[in-house]
Amino acid sequence: EPEVTQTPSHQVTQMGQEVILRCVPISNHLYFYWYRQILGQKVEFLVSFYNNEISEKSEIFDDQFSVERPDGSNFTLKIRSTKLEDSAMYFCASRQGGNQPQHFGDGTRLSIL
Amino acid sequence: GQQLNQSPQSMFIQEGEDVSMNCTSSSIFNTWLWYKQEPGEGPVLLIALYKAGELTSNGRLTAQFGITRKDSFLNISASIPSDVGIYFCAGHFGGGSNYKLTFGKGTLLTVNP
Repeated sequence: EPEVTQTPSHQVTQMGQEVILRCVPISNHLYFYWYRQILGQKVEFLVSFYNNEISEKSEIFDDQFSVERPDGSNFTLKIRSTKLEDSAMYFCASRQGGNQPQHFGDGTRLSIL
Repeated sequence: GQQLNQSPQSMFIQEGEDVSMNCTSSSIFNTWLWYKQEPGEGPVLLIALYKAGELTSNGRLTAQFGITRKDSFLNISASIPSDVGIYFCAGHFGGGSNYKLTFGKGTLLTVNP
């Protein structure tokens, strides 16, 4: 069964450094998402992306965050200058369209030192 | 923002027992989804519900979309050790095509063999 793949599985970065998290959504899906889960807490929406632009973003998704679909298969989340509180699991999700549900990748654990 | 109240927070049961968990919202949801998350993995979709009153099964799992559209429950019958994990409800509300999801805080299920 097709799945969403994310790399790396774990990223350790010094505070203030830039980090790029990568995702390959399911190939025929049109809507892409990033979510965040701080350890022990619920999954929180960050941003949705459709037709090569951001369609909605949460208050968490400030100017330090950006997303990009650089080619036909990858979907990336960039954090420009990481902070300690950015440490979390970051999940990419995609869905086909209509009312089809979102499917999630296994996440990238981001640790900021 | 929208809040989902999920209960119970955790459950410790014996193998073979039935389990029930639920989510409530102060606002109407258009879609209810139930996901399961195991350690080191992303949320895996179990059941998707799209209409008020809808009752859907997936093997030993049964979920319902409440008539008021403000609640949903998930039942697991005859639990087995591999049912262990965190179960999340998630919902989508409002118009538009973004379908961003709001998640509950999860129910941690432990099954004693």
